[in-house]
Amino acid sequence: EAQVTQNPRYLITVTGKKLTVTCSQNMNHEYMSWYRQDPGLGLRQIYYSMNVEVTDKGDVPEGYKVSRKEKRNFPLILESPSPNQTSLYFCASSFSGTQPQHFGDGTRLSIL
Amino acid sequence: GQQVMQIPQYQHVQEGEDFTTYCNSSTTLSNIQWYKQRPGGHPVFLIQLVKSGEVKKQKRLTFQFGEAKKNSSLHITATQTTDVGTYFCAENYGGSQGNLIFGKGTKLSVKP
Repeated sequence: EAQVTQNPRYLITVTGKKLTVTCSQNMNHEYMSWYRQDPGLGLRQIYYSMNVEVTDKGDVPEGYKVSRKEKRNFPLILESPSPNQTSLYFCASSFSGTQPQHFGDGTRLSIL
Repeated sequence: GQQVMQIPQYQHVQEGEDFTTYCNSSTTLSNIQWYKQRPGGHPVFLIQLVKSGEVKKQKRLTFQFGEAKKNSSLHITATQTTDVGTYFCAENYGGSQGNLIFGKGTKLSVKP
């Protein structure tokens, strides 16, 4: 089954404790992206990747890092999480940046 | 940064009534995508419009792309309770670079 898998689905953690949210897709997509969703603000792009070893900032990259060492994986790293990063995060993939995005089920992060 | 304005933010309708959400951009778009997010779910791709003046239909849903490619609309005829959710437009800036900008969404509730 074609899918985008995120882990964990839920996480409660504390300020400053590094965390990684994994994202994996099995559709051989070149393009992958991370979004955060906050009430009233819609979906905002954090980072995206056009291909392996090619990443670029979205609209809200501050406080986040990404890497794209393999085509299928695109982890989101919060080196020193802060409460303002409490949010619902979605990973998405597609064949290119202009093609329809396939979203994962989301990761709800709470940073205390 | 780029912005896409989506209105209304909320819409409450009686089952059987029609519903329309609009997206407007200050710049010409290469294409526009529409997504639906059910409560508690992830965004799911509905359709992509590319051509000026394009109109596409999916059962009770009608999607339009403006002649100047600066606006788009999604119209639902005779809403049903299964239409409940948030509808997002997403606009692609930068051509193949794929910086996808989402509108803030229109949250539709349908009263049986």
